[in-house]
Amino acid sequence: QVQLQESGPGLVKPSETLSLTCTVSGGSISSYYWSWIRQPPGKGLEWIGYIYYSGSTNYNPSLKSRVTISVDTSKNQFSLKLSSVTAADTAVYYCARLVGPTVTTFGWFDPWGQGTLVTVSS
Amino acid sequence: QSVLTQPPSVSGAPGQRVTISCTGSSSNIGAGYDVHWYQQLPGTAPKLLIYGNSNRPSGVPDRFSGSKSGTSASLAITGLQAEDEADYYCQSYDSSLSGLFGGGTKLTVL
Repeated sequence: QVQLQESGPGLVKPSETLSLTCTVSGGSISSYYWSWIRQPPGKGLEWIGYIYYSGSTNYNPSLKSRVTISVDTSKNQFSLKLSSVTAADTAVYYCARLVGPTVTTFGWFDPWGQGTLVTVSS
Repeated sequence: QSVLTQPPSVSGAPGQRVTISCTGSSSNIGAGYDVHWYQQLPGTAPKLLIYGNSNRPSGVPDRFSGSKSGTSASLAITGLQAEDEADYYCQSYDSSLSGLFGGGTKLTVL
C-alpha cells in the first residue's frame, strides 16, 4: 500500500524558509492530489495546501502568500516551502494523499506520513 | 476558534456510547460539503476513520459511525474500549476558507 515519508531540517531560523519533501512509496504519485498539513505542539490540525500531480495547486488563504508546493513525478516526491517563518510556524508537518476531490467534496486525507517536527528558533 | 466547532473533550466508561459533534455553518457543512473524521492516537499521525459523512474505510470497526444533518455532523462510538482514547478531528470544506479541520475532541475512556 501507499506510504509517505517526510524529510527535511528539524530546525529553521526565524525569517528563513522552511523546506520539506515527502517521498511516496508503494504507488505512483500520478493521478492523485497530495497535501501538506501541520499541527503545532498541543494544538489542532491546519491544512496548508495541496498539489495535483500535474502541478496545479490550492493553498490555505491564511498561508498563501508564504507557501509553495511543488511536485517531482520522476522522483515520486512533492515538496513544501514556507517562507519568512516565525515561532508560530513551529509544528509537526504531515504529508498526506488527498482522495476524492469533486464539486461536492474537498476530499479526505489518506494515508498520512508519520510527520516531522520543525522548530523555528535562532 | 475553528470554523468547525467540536467539544474540547468527551468521556465515557468502557462499553458505553459516546458522540462527538462537529458544528459548522451555511458556507461549509450546511452548503452540502462532505464531512470526514480522523482518529489521532497519542504520539501518532491522524488516521482516517470516516469519509463522505458515513463511510468506513476497510479495517475500521463498525463501532464507529458518522452522520450529517443540516450544518452539523456527528461521530458515534459504541462499545467504548480503552484503545479508543484519542483525539478526534472532523474535516470539511468551506467556500471561503478551502480545506479546514475542526478544533479536535479529546476522548477519555474512564
